[in-house]
Amino acid sequence: ETGVTQTPRHLVMGMTNKKSLKCEQHLGHNAMYWYKQSAKKPLELMFVYNFKEQTENNSVPSRFSPECPNSSHLFLHLHTLQPEDSALYLCASSQDQGERNEQFFGPGTRLTVL
Amino acid sequence: SQQGEEDPQALSIQEGENATMNCSYKTSINNLQWYRQNSGRGLVHLILIRSNEREKHSGRLRVTLDTSKKSSSLLITASRAADTASYFCATDAWDKIIFGKGTRLHILP
Repeated sequence: ETGVTQTPRHLVMGMTNKKSLKCEQHLGHNAMYWYKQSAKKPLELMFVYNFKEQTENNSVPSRFSPECPNSSHLFLHLHTLQPEDSALYLCASSQDQGERNEQFFGPGTRLTVL
Repeated sequence: SQQGEEDPQALSIQEGENATMNCSYKTSINNLQWYRQNSGRGLVHLILIRSNEREKHSGRLRVTLDTSKKSSSLLITASRAADTASYFCATDAWDKIIFGKGTRLHILP
């Protein structure tokens, strides 16, 4: 148990659905991250929040919309996704972004887009 | 890109043997980290080595860093079945951290 939880663990959605992924960390960290992990590809950093402010958006399509209401919670809102968006979505946190020490990862949400 | 690339992509060894994985990258870094991922789970941080360090140990893990060759290695000694997982290096260049594709390690009984 790393102190980072993600819900749901599995999600199947159609291309017209709207859903949200939730991440919560209980470590008192100030930086939170969303990653996408697809088969046979490197882990892709999607978004970074530091002290609730978005500091990185790595050219992620607008059908992915992050939200960070406080330092402990991070959401990824999904709408009109494509089948190629099917992947494992991982949330991580670290003490802060300036000193990038170890990142603590959640177990991930396995997303399937039909 | 400073993407770290692990080598080999996959490795199978007998339990008790040592496993060595390598990581190469392209640009200057602040530190390099190794992570382990069990199937379908999140990544777990193993060890961090800073750019001014050459070697670091943690239990059965030994990490080396050669900044002149822009490469790092992860050695797992006396492997166990529980070491079966994917191993990733992550390079951190102050403003960005990038993960490689990983090495899949399989420990045979």
